[in-house]
Amino acid sequence: SQQGEEDPQALSIQEGENATMNCSYKTSINNLQWYRQNSGRGLVHLILIRSNEREKHSGRLRVTLDTSKKSSSLLITASRAADTASYFCATDGIQGAQKLVFGQGTRLTINP
Amino acid sequence: DSGVTQTPKHLITATGQRVTLRCSPRSGDLSVYWYQQSLDQGLQFLIQYYNGEERAKGNILERFSAQQFPDLHSELNLSSLELGDSALYFCASSVTPRDAEAFFGQGTRLTVV
Repeated sequence: SQQGEEDPQALSIQEGENATMNCSYKTSINNLQWYRQNSGRGLVHLILIRSNEREKHSGRLRVTLDTSKKSSSLLITASRAADTASYFCATDGIQGAQKLVFGQGTRLTINP
Repeated sequence: DSGVTQTPKHLITATGQRVTLRCSPRSGDLSVYWYQQSLDQGLQFLIQYYNGEERAKGNILERFSAQQFPDLHSELNLSSLELGDSALYFCASSVTPRDAEAFFGQGTRLTVV
């Protein structure tokens, strides 16, 4: 079963608006990573946030992490058509499990 | 460009056949992961290696096997292929097995006919 679950499954907004995607996970984590995937292409690493961090920024991206709620959010500000892609969160288990477990992703469409 | 190289990019083969997918990790990365992405199953973790040793195993079928060589490249072997094995196979690498960004290759699209 998937560790992370993204919400919503699909999101469609106008160019220039902000997009927020959420990720929930089940077990304690060491870190959480967000990835972008254009249709049928490889995954592009966006940002990594550690379990002792609450917020992280990278350009137009803002990621928050709430370990008490086992959830994270990815905010993309001032969206562009090129941001159209699927976005995945992936978690790294805190003990033993040395692997990244992905959610099903959020399909983001930016309308011009 | 993530620095992770996967070959071939596309592969079409018949049921019952065996194929080998190859992955060269980023320079300096010791850990390699393999993932399968299909439409109905999403991204499924298959297996992970660190410096030549298997570190974690996921939903990898017995018909599949992998290894990481001394030069750190990795191969994923898929045998007795079935139609349901058609998917995108991704390799990722990271410096360490834990607490490090993992970077993905462009994937190998396998079509079993």
